[in-house]
Amino acid sequence: AQSVTQLGSHVSVSEGALVLLRCNYSSSVPPYLFWYVQYPNQGLQLLLKYTSAATLVKGINGFEAEFKKSETSFHLTKPSAHMSDAAEYFCAVSFQSGNTGKLIFGQGTTLQVKP
Amino acid sequence: GAGVSQSPSNKVTEKGKDVELRCDPISGHTALYWYRQSLGQGLEFLIYFQGNSAPDKSGLPSDRFSAERTGGSVSTLTIQRTQQEDSAVYLCASSRRGGETGELFFGEGSRLTVL
Repeated sequence: AQSVTQLGSHVSVSEGALVLLRCNYSSSVPPYLFWYVQYPNQGLQLLLKYTSAATLVKGINGFEAEFKKSETSFHLTKPSAHMSDAAEYFCAVSFQSGNTGKLIFGQGTTLQVKP
Repeated sequence: GAGVSQSPSNKVTEKGKDVELRCDPISGHTALYWYRQSLGQGLEFLIYFQGNSAPDKSGLPSDRFSAERTGGSVSTLTIQRTQQEDSAVYLCASSRRGGETGELFFGEGSRLTVL
């Protein structure tokens, strides 16, 4: 079955430190991959997406992610964390060409940023 | 409106009652999705509407759940004979042309509590 796994339900970093949120997927076909962010009491917002173009994808707010087919991974990184990055982050995949809105989400990772 | 609007934002009901949740998508978006976000299950796809096509109901957990979309715009998710396990945040999202870019615009959700 197709699935998404986010390693670590809770990640804590200091302000200015590297952010690394891990995402692995299982699929026998090339997926479309996404990272969404959810701030408290808000809806989800797209951070970035991979749709078979460049394997290194840059998103909003300084985040980027690299698609590694050999590792079936799509980890999210940011060189320097800001306090405003504290939120819940969801990795998601779609395996349906033409309807990439039907998504399978990971369980989410809560990012805490300490001053 | 500027974004996806959902109502009510909070709903508390008694087990066995019916509830209706409303979603008003972004104007011009032809695709509309319902997702459920719960502690034990994470984010789950429920149903997808695209234009005048038959909806994709493959994610609805039981026949107590139904949804309709009137006039290609507003959608209502109905849960009949609510159970405690239905307690969750119900998220609506919309996108252009079936979400081909993978970018869904989410509302803030309707939090349902079944006592």
